[in-house]
Amino acid sequence: GQNIDQPTEMTATEGAIVQINCTYQTSGFNGLFWYQQHAGEAPTFLSYNVLDGLEEKGRFSSFLSRSKGYSYLLLKELQMKDSASYLCAVRDKGTALIFGKGTTLSVSS
Amino acid sequence: ETGVTQTPRHLVMGMTNKKSLKCEQHLGHNAMYWYKQSAKKPLELMFVYNFKEQTENNSVPSRFSPECPNSSHLFLHLHTLQPEDSALYLCASSTYRDNTEAFFGQGTRLTVV
Repeated sequence: GQNIDQPTEMTATEGAIVQINCTYQTSGFNGLFWYQQHAGEAPTFLSYNVLDGLEEKGRFSSFLSRSKGYSYLLLKELQMKDSASYLCAVRDKGTALIFGKGTTLSVSS
Repeated sequence: ETGVTQTPRHLVMGMTNKKSLKCEQHLGHNAMYWYKQSAKKPLELMFVYNFKEQTENNSVPSRFSPECPNSSHLFLHLHTLQPEDSALYLCASSTYRDNTEAFFGQGTRLTVV
């Protein structure tokens, strides 16, 4: 079976750092993706990991451990506009992405 | 603007109606997807098309019928839907390579009454 788990909700304050965890169990693995989705909008791509380790992109970083079936998305210097849902997705085989339920992040001032 | 355009953005239909959702991508991609997004549930993969051929149908009821006439266009034909089919329907596209992301359209918010 396929299972992708992430926390439902998280809260943080402006300027802080937040880490959103994702664990997965899939029949195959061809990469892990993080997307951001604001309410009423399309999901937009944030990051991609296929090898173990950390990928950094400005204020956002993503980490992968394939042996543990684990990833996290790290958001630094949080801003109000970072309030959104963050979706963890795995490409197990073929081309399609399988998604977790998403983590709704609320950033307050 | 993501390069993937969906129409209509909103649709209200009765259970006996027939309607179609349209998706168009101008990114030169050769894989296209339909996803369903309901509240409190993960994005559910419905159909996958690679090079215009359907390669996945994730046990979707036959009242949903996809069509992919070419690599740039994807349709979802709807008939005799149920109220529980009300959701956001998202189209996405990608290249046929592992290390590339999928691009999503803005979605069609469907309400079945």
